Amino acid sequence: AQSVAQPEDQVNVAEGNPLTVKCTYSVSGNPYLFWYVQYPNRGLQFLLKYITGDNLVKGSYGFEAEFNKSQTSFHLKKPSALVSDSALYFCAVRDGGSYIPTFGRGTSLIVHP
Amino acid sequence: EAQVTQNPRYLITVTGKKLTVTCSQNMNHEYMSWYRQDPGLGLRQIYYSMNVEVTDKGDVPEGYKVSRKEKRNFPLILESPSPNQTSLYFCASSTVSAQPGVGKNIQYFGAGTRLSVL
Repeated sequence: AQSVAQPEDQVNVAEGNPLTVKCTYSVSGNPYLFWYVQYPNRGLQFLLKYITGDNLVKGSYGFEAEFNKSQTSFHLKKPSALVSDSALYFCAVRDGGSYIPTFGRGTSLIVHP
Repeated sequence: EAQVTQNPRYLITVTGKKLTVTCSQNMNHEYMSWYRQDPGLGLRQIYYSMNVEVTDKGDVPEGYKVSRKEKRNFPLILESPSPNQTSLYFCASSTVSAQPGVGKNIQYFGAGTRLSVL
């Protein structure tokens, strides 16, 4: 079985400050990890993924995420937040042997001017 | 342009009146799925399809049907809608691959269908 947890329903950060959105996962095999962003009244958009290779993954809009196997985490980060980053962020995982992803409940990121 | 198209975007209906939400993708993806999004519950998978004529239940299939007669289309059918099916629905598609290549395994989502069942 596979699962993913986003422990924070909401993250608040001031514009210009670094941001972190947390994600932990559980899979029986090798994890495929993803971050998606949802803006109001829109579908989800892909941000970045980790399949294999370098533990630090860079994605769209200046976001990055670090795969930590020992802590089974894949936290999303950005060095300097923008007001326009305010959105709902979803972490997803699938076991390498499965084609079905499992999504977290989502974390609402609010960036204050 | 690569896209997943859902219709309609908004729908208000009454209990028991059959409805279909269409989904079409132009990327030749094998994998398609339907999700519902509810406050505090995130995305829950309703049904998915690995290819034409291959469908399977997700986490919350009760009250829904799907079909995959063509690779590009994956309609969601509510035979007898009930108020607890009021939700925001998303269709998604992706390649089916164990390979880590660029563009593989990424889910592409439609813009969503907001359904209200009265």
